[in-house]
Amino acid sequence: EVQLLESGGGLVQPGGSLRLSCAASGFTFSSYAMNWVRQAPGKGLEWVSSINGDGDNTYSADSVKGRFTISRDNSKTTLYLQMNSLRAADTAVYYCAKEKKYSYGLENWGQGTLVTVSS
Amino acid sequence: QSVLTQPPSVSGAPGQRVTISCTGSSSNIGAGYDVHWYQQLPGTAPKLLISDNRNRPSGVPDRFSGSKSGTSASLAITGLQAEDEADYYCQSYDSSLSGSLFGGGTKLTVL
Repeated sequence: EVQLLESGGGLVQPGGSLRLSCAASGFTFSSYAMNWVRQAPGKGLEWVSSINGDGDNTYSADSVKGRFTISRDNSKTTLYLQMNSLRAADTAVYYCAKEKKYSYGLENWGQGTLVTVSS
Repeated sequence: QSVLTQPPSVSGAPGQRVTISCTGSSSNIGAGYDVHWYQQLPGTAPKLLISDNRNRPSGVPDRFSGSKSGTSASLAITGLQAEDEADYYCQSYDSSLSGSLFGGGTKLTVL
């Protein structure tokens, strides 16, 4: 059974940093691209960033480019999101999600971790 | 500007059929990229409902179906049930963004 477990969320001041983790199990982690998707309170889904299986290709939304960095450690089957220069607008539940093979569809999602940016 | 447009809300009575549209552009749906649909029940993570335009993952009832034509896609739900009340999102890849794009979401109310 595929399991994705996010952690690392919490309250942080504007301008601060936070690192999210997503521990994966139940599949061959290195064979799948992974994504971060966020959802602000009461709002819709927003794609944040993606990374291929090897970790050598990453993509990010314009809203986080230059501030957020996606990475992975295949030996630890863990996905990361390093978030710097955080803003109030980054307040959201952050989900990690596993892509389907040969598709951009997100077939498995974690339960999410809440990031609150506030002074 | 890349965007996938969905109606904010749809509604239907139990047993009825509803459809949710997702309109894109030449850099996403119109470029041939597949459309995926997600169901998000209140307080839970999204769940993949339809992948690659029309494929249902294991466990998804055949009351749910997807289609795609030109720059648009649709999700159809037949035999509406109270448990279908949720938010529904479409998603596609966008070449100008080099990443995924979600629609704004549609809230389905079962009357």
